[in-house]
Amino acid sequence: QSALTQPASVSESLGQSITISCTGTSSDVGGYNFVSWYQQHPGKAPKLMIYEVSYRPSDISTRFSGSKSGNTASLTISGLQAEDEADYYCNSFTGTGTYVFGSGTRVSVL
Amino acid sequence: QVQLVQSGAEVKRPGASIKVSCKTSGYTFTDYHIHWVRQARGQGPEWMAIMKADGHTIVYAQKFQGRLSLTRDTSSTTYYMELSSLRFEDTALYYCVREGVSVYHFDYWGPGTLVTVSS
Repeated sequence: QSALTQPASVSESLGQSITISCTGTSSDVGGYNFVSWYQQHPGKAPKLMIYEVSYRPSDISTRFSGSKSGNTASLTISGLQAEDEADYYCNSFTGTGTYVFGSGTRVSVL
Repeated sequence: QVQLVQSGAEVKRPGASIKVSCKTSGYTFTDYHIHWVRQARGQGPEWMAIMKADGHTIVYAQKFQGRLSLTRDTSSTTYYMELSSLRFEDTALYYCVREGVSVYHFDYWGPGTLVTVSS
């Protein structure tokens, strides 16, 4: 199972918005609404930000939102803040009952 | 509160095996699946396997078929991940991760266990 494809890096200014894509196939992202997103700061474990494409855990800011179209899922961060600077990974359930992570996107806040 | 406490860092020779433990507490043991995910330095997470809440259903990533084994001890609510025939490229931080039944996402992560394969 190959990793889902994400852009290596995204940079944007404080207060602006960014969208990170996560492209898979009809056997994973496109086939199930079981895409989740994780934020990881250096030296820390990943943290759940979005689940089932667009749902937010109760402790996650409304600035984070998710969507999906076809084989591509997206994470949007609006009103970028300094603490959003981190690595972001998507994850999807697959048709073989396994899971696959994305290649990861480093977000830089200018 | 939910806790996943993992065993300490280890250094192993190529060809050896490693067994990592994950002691869980703070939730109903039989309501959640446990996954194992590893992350090499500077790389993204890599999903390895799931042991479902029933303790019998286990799915391994194809990459690890034949050298990865998941077990658990219900009496101590502890999960174990054993990886054999270690290679240099198995050097990574190994996480146990909780998933709610039928929710398909990972809500709690252990702190990770660093496994170093070195000659």
